[in-house]
Amino acid sequence: RKEVEQDPGPFNVPEGATVAFNCTYSNSASQSFFWYRQDCRKEPKLLMSVYSSGNEDGRFTAQLNRASQYISLLIRDSKLSDSATYLCVVGNQAGTALIFGKGTTLSVSS
Amino acid sequence: DVKVTQSSRYLVKRTGEKVFLECVQDMDHENMFWYRQDPGLGLRLIYFSYDVKMKEKGDIPEGYSVSREKKERFSLILESASTNQTSMYLCASRPPNRVLSNQPQHFGDGTRLSIL
Repeated sequence: RKEVEQDPGPFNVPEGATVAFNCTYSNSASQSFFWYRQDCRKEPKLLMSVYSSGNEDGRFTAQLNRASQYISLLIRDSKLSDSATYLCVVGNQAGTALIFGKGTTLSVSS
Repeated sequence: DVKVTQSSRYLVKRTGEKVFLECVQDMDHENMFWYRQDPGLGLRLIYFSYDVKMKEKGDIPEGYSVSREKKERFSLILESASTNQTSMYLCASRPPNRVLSNQPQHFGDGTRLSIL
């Protein structure tokens, strides 16, 4: 099982749609989880941390399921500007580094 | 806001050259990282450093070395550049972890390196 696995997509959705991404991770001892966003030819930027109880930031909701070892990101009311690659990120067991998934590409069209 | 600055956005070098990629952060972070990103392969960790003069190999250190003489600066060195090192190189920094919790990393703009 890969350390962090995501569906690469692409996900093509119309404006206003709700879209969900899932990510699975292999190390049950991981303690930290994030979603990053990366625009074409740009650096990754932190979108949000993922907390055990789930957390929301505007139209974005992140969930963590430790038992099944997966993380999700829900985007409501999609905007054109949401078009990007979304990277699932998990802290390694030693706490020394973050492990990045390969990303899921989202394309929102009008 | 954290500022991570990479010395070049675009760089073209020749096979066999020694190449230096520089990264500077202004937040007094202990931890710094070098990644390369290639289509279909995602971000791959080359080296990281958790303190001055300290370095650890990442997943793909072969053909690279690093230098951390000052806390704010982390340099990636391609000892003898080869065409398969053409890639996007990303530097990141991060504050110390809290107990049982990793801190997120902050990335520089990236350097697109082409080896001819």
